[in-house]
Amino acid sequence: QVQLQESGPGLVKPSQTLSLTCTVSGDSISSDDYYWSWVRQHPGKGLEWIGYIFYSGSTYYNPSLASRVTMSVDTSKEQFSLKLSYVTDADTAFYFCARAVRGFTSGWYPREYDYWGQGILVTVSS
Amino acid sequence: EIVMTQSPSTLSLSPGERATLSCRASMSISSSYLAWYQQKPGQAPRLLIYRSSTRATGIPDRFSGRGSGTDFTLSISRLEPEDFAVYYCQQYGTSPHFGGGTKVEIK
Repeated sequence: QVQLQESGPGLVKPSQTLSLTCTVSGDSISSDDYYWSWVRQHPGKGLEWIGYIFYSGSTYYNPSLASRVTMSVDTSKEQFSLKLSYVTDADTAFYFCARAVRGFTSGWYPREYDYWGQGILVTVSS
Repeated sequence: EIVMTQSPSTLSLSPGERATLSCRASMSISSSYLAWYQQKPGQAPRLLIYRSSTRATGIPDRFSGRGSGTDFTLSISRLEPEDFAVYYCQQYGTSPHFGGGTKVEIK
């Protein structure tokens, strides 16, 4: 059974960098069939995609966050990570890691998110 | 950029009633390029429907999806107590945006 688990600090100071890791079990992160993704949710609000990464290291970020986002993957540890720099209180949210099925038409793209981590609340506060 | 708009924002219904949730895309998308999720308080979203109309593993057949172009619908034929939750649609593509959600609450 596929499981994803987020880990990282629950409290980050303004202007610092938020760093989270997602550990994948029950499946290989080095699969051609999936993207590994981050989605966040401000308390009481909707879902916002942050970005996704393929095991080769290729990434795609939400343009609204791209200047501050870096994602990476460590296939040896079955982990992928998110860094969000220069955080403000607007970055206080639940952060979910998720697996997205990979689709292809004229290019590769993420389809549905079929497995999710439980989510981690990250609060930005001094 | 495609914007996904869900309506209504809140749907107040009684157990046993039928729920019909709408998701509209700002421009036409492939009929199979849409997913639906259910989220309960304190939980991660759960995949319900993918490719617009295919139920995910373990999803009961009271859930159904349909649509094409810009208009998509999630229907719940007879609401069970555990179906009261928030539902999101999500378009496929290099920018996989979500709709704003519809809360299905007990009337």
